[in-house]
Amino acid sequence: NAGVTQTPKFQVLKTGQSMTLQCAQDMNHEYMSWYRQDPGMGLRLIHYSVGAGITDQGEVPNGYNVSRSTTEDFPLRLLSAAPSQTSVYFCASGQGDTEAFFGQGTRLTVV
Amino acid sequence: AQRVTQPEKLLSVFKGAPVELKCNYSYSGSPELFWYVQYSRQRLQLLLRHISRESIKGFTADLNKGETSFHLKKPFAQEEDSAMYYCAVGSGGSNYKLTFGKGTLLTVNP
Repeated sequence: NAGVTQTPKFQVLKTGQSMTLQCAQDMNHEYMSWYRQDPGMGLRLIHYSVGAGITDQGEVPNGYNVSRSTTEDFPLRLLSAAPSQTSVYFCASGQGDTEAFFGQGTRLTVV
Repeated sequence: AQRVTQPEKLLSVFKGAPVELKCNYSYSGSPELFWYVQYSRQRLQLLLRHISRESIKGFTADLNKGETSFHLKKPFAQEEDSAMYYCAVGSGGSNYKLTFGKGTLLTVNP
């Protein structure tokens, strides 16, 4: 049972490039979320989804897009990377009122 | 909007000493409070939640609605407790819209 899997683990982008951070879960969880973790800021919610085909914005959605075409996958797209998006990104999933399960994180650097 | 405050960025104690990590929250409605822990190079994982009233790894946390606090306590700290601790509140009783505090880095010295 892999849980929540994020790829890649590390990525360096140039300003203006686009990329997709992948997140997959094999627990048939209904909800999935993306957070970014910055030093001194804790984790902040970017986007979340409560089921396939349903997504909504979190606290810091600007510059990011998401889609949820399947229960398992919840990719996060950076449309035009900026240095301010340098961060560690965490994906999480859960079901009902159970705990949120987190992935290992993706460390993104935008130069 | 909900807010979670963890006043200490860093907390250093000696092995065997009591430890208390503070957490205050602001939330309208019935909050659901959590403590998450992130050990070095590991993923974030749930330590405990207020509705379960459990003691995990010797840690306990009591929700005080009057003081809007959810402090994490352990009577005798161990070196393996060294980690980053995050307090979080769930929005509307759900766990997919968590608001996190900025975290407290706990170091337990030998």
